[in-house]
Order: sequence, then C-alpha cells, then structure tokens
Amino acid sequence: EAGVVQSPRYKIIEKKQPVAFWCNPISGHNTLYWYLQNLGQGPELLIRYENEEAVDDSQLPKDRFSAERLKGVDSTLKIQPAELGDSAVYLCASSWDSTTGELFFGEGSRLTVL
Amino acid sequence: KNQVEQSPQSLIILEGKNCTLQCNYTVSPFSNLRWYKQDTGRGPVSLTIMTFSENTKSNGRYTATLDADTKQSSLHITASQLSDSASYICVVTLNSGNTPLVFGKGTRLSVIA
Repeated sequence: EAGVVQSPRYKIIEKKQPVAFWCNPISGHNTLYWYLQNLGQGPELLIRYENEEAVDDSQLPKDRFSAERLKGVDSTLKIQPAELGDSAVYLCASSWDSTTGELFFGEGSRLTVL
Repeated sequence: KNQVEQSPQSLIILEGKNCTLQCNYTVSPFSNLRWYKQDTGRGPVSLTIMTFSENTKSNGRYTATLDADTKQSSLHITASQLSDSASYICVVTLNSGNTPLVFGKGTRLSVIA
C-alpha cells in the first residue's frame, strides 16, 4: 500500500516568491493534516480536513497561507508571498478519522526561503 | 491548557545501553497516547499506542508505560542500536474538541558507537 506522498521534497525560493506543496494521502483516509515543523521542534498543526471540509484552520496564517482539498483526496498548501521565517519542513499526514489518533506522515517538503 | 512536555530535550548514549524518555501531559479529556519515531529527514512513524486502561505495551526493544493518574508516560529503549538515533515524539489524543491531537516537542536521541 502506498504511503502519503508529498512533493516537492525540497524547495528553495527567494522571499516574496510564491510556493506550493502537494500531498496525496493514503487511499481511503478521510482526514488530512498539514503540519509545520521547525528544526528541533515537534510538528505544529496548520490545518485539518475532514473529507473536503477544513474543520480546524485556526493556526493557519491566512494572510499568506492557503490550502485546498478538492474532491476530498489530494491537497495543496500555498504560501504567497513567502517570508524568511517560513523556512521549515511542511508535513502532510492522513488518518482514517480524527478520533483514532494514528497519523501516517509523508516525508515532508523542506522549504528554504532566502 | 492542553500541553505535552517531554524530557530530556536531547540524549546521547552508547550503543547497547538502555534509556528512558519521559512524557508528561495536561490533556483532558484523554483518549490515547502515542509515541512516534522520526528519523532525520523523514516523517514520524507510530511506535506504540496506549489507552487509558493500559499500563505497559511493548514493540520489540521499545516499551511504553502509562500512568493515567499522574499523567505520565515513558518510552524505554533496551539494548540501543545506532538505528535508534532519531527524535521521539509523544502525542496525546483528546476525546473531544476541534483540535484532537497535542504534540510534544520531542526528545532527540543519539546513539553512538
């Protein structure tokens, strides 16, 4: 069974440029998460989807970050414009539902903003 | 406030030695607690899950304990190997609420030869 797939694995951009990350969750998983992880820190939730609905986006900086999960499968996270402080790893995870607790993570997308 | 605190922040041990990582939580209502292992440059992978009624659970050389009264969990690694070098993250699931998962910051373990 294929795991959670993320792309790109690495991205280097200059500040003020836009960037987008893509995530394909495990087939059948209804819940999809985007996390931000800084070096030496635990993941921090950006947004959680239940199927197509964003049920928790309280930590998403909506002035520059946006996300979508069309058709309740793949998801895209966008940053526009990127700032130096956005340099981090963006992790996508999926689960059968939000109550079981077991998340399956992708490899992450490492963003460097110069 | 729902929080998960892990200690130590980092740890260096010799190959073959044992170690114990700690997780204290102030999360309510509690559903379950998981330990994840995150290798460098990879996503976290679940090691164990413990529910309210479970005290101990093993997964190979990894043994997790849970004391629901004191709200403490530990992860004990026996006969450490170089491949155990990773970050270990404690995650508590709430039984309700809009944000059901609370993550610790992790413990960075380095096993050296």
